[in-house]
Amino acid sequence: DSGVTQTPKHLITATGQRVTLRCSPRSGDLSVYWYQQSLDQGLQFLIHYYNGEERAKGNILERFSAQQFPDLHSELNLSSLELGDSALYFCASSARGGPPSTDTQYFGPGTRLTVL
Amino acid sequence: GESVGLHLPTLSVQEGDNSIINCAYSNSASDYFIWYKQESGKGPQFIIDIRSNMDKRQGQRVTVLLNKTVKHLSLQIAATQPGDSAVYFCAESRFTGNQFYFGTGTSLTVIP
Repeated sequence: DSGVTQTPKHLITATGQRVTLRCSPRSGDLSVYWYQQSLDQGLQFLIHYYNGEERAKGNILERFSAQQFPDLHSELNLSSLELGDSALYFCASSARGGPPSTDTQYFGPGTRLTVL
Repeated sequence: GESVGLHLPTLSVQEGDNSIINCAYSNSASDYFIWYKQESGKGPQFIIDIRSNMDKRQGQRVTVLLNKTVKHLSLQIAATQPGDSAVYFCAESRFTGNQFYFGTGTSLTVIP
């Protein structure tokens, strides 16, 4: 158990809908990262938040947004959902938000999103 | 983006044998590499890392080898056990960068 929690575990919705995925980092970690894992792709970095502020953006669509709250939990909002958004969405946390070489990222169990 | 790929999508080994999982990367400026293990229904779990100033690093039953000349990374698992069955990802990062670039993964199946 990494200490990172994600809810819900599974989510099934229809195209055009909006969903919110939630992540609670490990106790004491200030950084939260979101990744998307599609069936035929590796993990794709989406966005990184550190202590409530956006730190870096990866391949995140404009239909997607995220935020980190004062209690450090984070939410990933996915809107106008398309079939291709079906994927596993992982959250990871790290202590300081530094480079992976000095600041290990710990991954949550993921949320499986199915768009029908 | 960066290109980090794996040679083989699946690998089956007998319990007790050694496993070797390979990974190629394309950017010679990459200087930090990580292997992750992802069991079914779980998130990726850090296994071992290596920096580009090293050729080899050993952990508990795992060894990572880095060949910068051919931009190749491998993960060796000694005396493979059923609990090693999982998908293994290599990931590349800059030592001072904040982003990972992951490969698609190799699925390792250990046959009892």
